[in-house]
Amino acid sequence: SQQGEEDPQALSIQEGENATMNCSYKTSINNLQWYRQNSGRGLVHLILIRSNEREKHSGRLRVTLDTSKKSSSLLITASRAADTASYFCAPREDYKLSFGAGTTVTVRA
Amino acid sequence: NAGVMQNPRHLVRRRGQEARLRCSPMKGHSHVYWYRQLPEEGLKFMVYLQKENIIDESGMPKERFSAEFPKEGPSILRIQQVVRGDSAAYFCASSPLTENTEAFFGQGTRLTVV
Repeated sequence: SQQGEEDPQALSIQEGENATMNCSYKTSINNLQWYRQNSGRGLVHLILIRSNEREKHSGRLRVTLDTSKKSSSLLITASRAADTASYFCAPREDYKLSFGAGTTVTVRA
Repeated sequence: NAGVMQNPRHLVRRRGQEARLRCSPMKGHSHVYWYRQLPEEGLKFMVYLQKENIIDESGMPKERFSAEFPKEGPSILRIQQVVRGDSAAYFCASSPLTENTEAFFGQGTRLTVV
C-alpha cells in the first residue's frame, strides 16, 4: 500500500532546538501532507506539498519533497513545548491519503 | 465555515449493540473519508465516499461495518453487533473535489465496547 513511513518513531529534544522527521513512501503521488495530532485529539493539517514542488515553508515549518527518492522531511525550527505531539505524513495517491505510525515528538522545557 | 463535525465524541456500547458514528463534512466538501486509530498507532483507511457513492471500501471489514454519505445529511459509519476489538477512535475527514487540496479531520469519535 501507499502508506507513509515516518522515521524516527520517537524524538526528544530541548526547547529551542530543531526537530527533523522523515517520511518515505512507495509509489507516485499527487501530493504529500503533514499532520499533527495532540494526545487524544483530532489531526491538524500542517502543510501540503505538491509532487512538482521541492520545498515549502509555513511559519516555523519547512517541508521538503524528493520524488526521485520517494521521501519527504519535516523540520520544526526553534521548537516549543506546545510542539509536543505526534506527526504524520500522508502521501496522497489519487484520492487516498495513507498514514504511517507517526513520529512522536517530545519537547522538554 | 465550521470544521468537520463528528458526533458523538464518545460512545459506549455493550457487546452486540449497534454503533452509529456521524460526520458532517465542511461546507462545500463532497468527499468523505473514514479512518480508524488504535492507541499508539497511525490511522488506518477504512472507506472513501462521495455524495451517494462508495468509491473505495477496501479498508472496511466486510461484515458488520457499513458506511453511507447521502445526498442530504451527514455521513454515517455504522457498526453492527459491536465486539471489544471495535474499540478505537474513528476519524472522519473531508476534502473538496480538486485533488491538490488538504483533507480536514474531525475530532473523532472514541468508541468503547464494554
